[in-house]
Amino acid sequence: GQNIDQPTEMTATEGAIVQINCTYQTSGFNGLFWYQQHAGEAPTFLSYNVLDGLEEKGRFSSFLSRSKGYSYLLLKELQMKDSASYLCAVRDRGGSYIPTFGRGTSLIVHP
Amino acid sequence: EAQVTQNPRYLITVTGKKLTVTCSQNMNHEYMSWYRQDPGLGLRQIYYSMNVEVTDKGDVPEGYKVSRKEKRNFPLILESPSPNQTSLYFCASSLLDGPQETQYFGPGTRLLVL
Repeated sequence: GQNIDQPTEMTATEGAIVQINCTYQTSGFNGLFWYQQHAGEAPTFLSYNVLDGLEEKGRFSSFLSRSKGYSYLLLKELQMKDSASYLCAVRDRGGSYIPTFGRGTSLIVHP
Repeated sequence: EAQVTQNPRYLITVTGKKLTVTCSQNMNHEYMSWYRQDPGLGLRQIYYSMNVEVTDKGDVPEGYKVSRKEKRNFPLILESPSPNQTSLYFCASSLLDGPQETQYFGPGTRLLVL
């Protein structure tokens, strides 16, 4: 089985940097996803990490450490529109494409 | 425009009345899947398909069926809906490209079973 933990809620100030952590325990590992989901809308793909290290895409970066079962999503220069739920999902077992989602972190950005 | 479409977007039905939610993608993706999202439980995968005529169960397949007769379409079938299938449903597709993967979600179908 899998266990994925992320904080339930975080708040941050516009213009600041926020780091959303995700820890996981799986019997195997085949990639970790981050998604953004605004209320009432579909999740939007942000990143996919399968190798250790940091991947940067504009204001968003995602980091993975497979040995520690740990990932984070880093959001820079926060904007009000970044207020959303951020979902971490892990796929385990080579050849299986069943990702397990965490319950999401609700990020509130205030002025 | 690359997209995943679902229909209907909203549906109210009664227990036992068979229904189908359609899903279509125009990106020639091989991998498609269905999820349901419930408060406090997050997104859970119902079924997935890795290519035409290849489907497999996800974490919560009970009460659902799928088919993949052609690459672009992946309908979700509820043969006899029950109130515990009231949920928000998402279809997704992705292109498997070595170590990289980009997954696209449809807009969602909100289902209420009375």
